Amino acid sequence: DIVMTQSPLSLSVPPGEPASISCRSSQSLLYSNGNNCLNWYLQKPGQSPQLLIYFASSRASGVPDRFSGSGSGTDFTLKISRVEAEDVGVYYCMHALHTPLTFGRGTTVDIK
Amino acid sequence: QVQLQQSGPGLVKPSQTLSVTCAISGDSVSSNTVAWNWIRQSPSRGLEWLGRTWYWSRWYYEFAVSVKSRITINADTTKNQLLLQLSSVTPEDTAVYYCARWDHEERYFDLWGRGTLVTVSS
Repeated sequence: DIVMTQSPLSLSVPPGEPASISCRSSQSLLYSNGNNCLNWYLQKPGQSPQLLIYFASSRASGVPDRFSGSGSGTDFTLKISRVEAEDVGVYYCMHALHTPLTFGRGTTVDIK
Repeated sequence: QVQLQQSGPGLVKPSQTLSVTCAISGDSVSSNTVAWNWIRQSPSRGLEWLGRTWYWSRWYYEFAVSVKSRITINADTTKNQLLLQLSSVTPEDTAVYYCARWDHEERYFDLWGRGTLVTVSS
């Protein structure tokens, strides 16, 4: 199974400041279509996870442009350019290359 | 608007079978562009993908090795719903269980149910 490792475990960010989360996979996530199969999800308190980013850098429908994803191969990053109060929650990376699909342990983001 | 409505007993005794239903509205369980998945979440195991089914001329199934001997996923086309059954449960199966839709082409979960907390306890 592909192991997904996230860092840091938690992040406390002042409103309006940037935030960055790292995700590393135990093997390359490069897919046959040339994309990297890496998703980012946000689980807000009391809610189900919601898709933010797919194919490492494509924003899902309705996701604000302050969220951006980058990376390729085994190293990926999610950046929030200016954190807002509604961004609090746990961020997960997940590989989408093949089953079993596996998730990182999550990064908790709160507002300082 | 597509919605996934989950239901199931919140408490199951050890060694019994856990059952959770996911009623689909706004999409078809037989759609050939998506797969229907079960994922669980617990403090000890985090988010854990359990298995999925999809239809492409026939039904296909994939399961996580950790539960493969105990899991059943059924797609009920008459009720347009998904059923998860997990047999011989132990307290380690205590978790929030989610159904989720997977887009085959874009390779993501674009829709999740609200989750069903299942506690395994005598």
